[in-house]
Amino acid sequence: EVQLVESGGGLVKPGGSLRLSCAASGFTFSSYSMNWVRQAPGKGLEWVSSISSSSSYIYYADSVKGRFTISRDNAKNSLYLQMNSLRAEDTAVYYCAREHPFLEWLLDYWGQGTLVTVSS
Amino acid sequence: EIVLTQSPGTLSLSPGERATLSCRASQSVSSSYLAWYQQKPGQAPRLLIYGASSRATGIPDRFSGSGSGTDFTLTISRLEPEDFAVYYCQQYGSSPPTTFGQGTKLEIK
Repeated sequence: EVQLVESGGGLVKPGGSLRLSCAASGFTFSSYSMNWVRQAPGKGLEWVSSISSSSSYIYYADSVKGRFTISRDNAKNSLYLQMNSLRAEDTAVYYCAREHPFLEWLLDYWGQGTLVTVSS
Repeated sequence: EIVLTQSPGTLSLSPGERATLSCRASQSVSSSYLAWYQQKPGQAPRLLIYGASSRATGIPDRFSGSGSGTDFTLTISRLEPEDFAVYYCQQYGSSPPTTFGQGTKLEIK
């Protein structure tokens, strides 16, 4: 069974930093591209970042470019999101999501999410 | 960037009725790379439909998708109590960035 479990969320002050983690199991993690998607309270879904299976290709939404860094450790079956210079508008539930093996950008499994709150 | 607009914002129906949800793209979605997700309160989104009309694994056949180009539809033939949720469309043909619609809330009348 595919499982994605996010952690690392919490309350942080504007300008602060946070590192999110996503632990994957039930599939060959090193063969899949992975994504982060966020959802502000009461709002819709916003794609944040993507990383290919070998970390060769990395993409960011314009809203986080230069502030967030996605990475992965295939030996540990883990995905990360380093978030710096956080703003109030970054407040959201952050989901990690697996990309379909044959259809790029289609997100076939999602974790339960971790809440990030940016507030003074 | 392709902008997806979903309508209606809220749809109020009763169990057993038919639901029709719309997703319109600002430009043509290549190869019908259009997906639909279901999200219940406090839960992660779940993939329902991909390629505009293919059901994901384990999705009941009362869910169907159709459309091409810029106009897409998700139909739920006979609503079950567990179908009341928020539904999002996503285009994944012209990425990055992949984009989502703003969602349609399907509520019990």
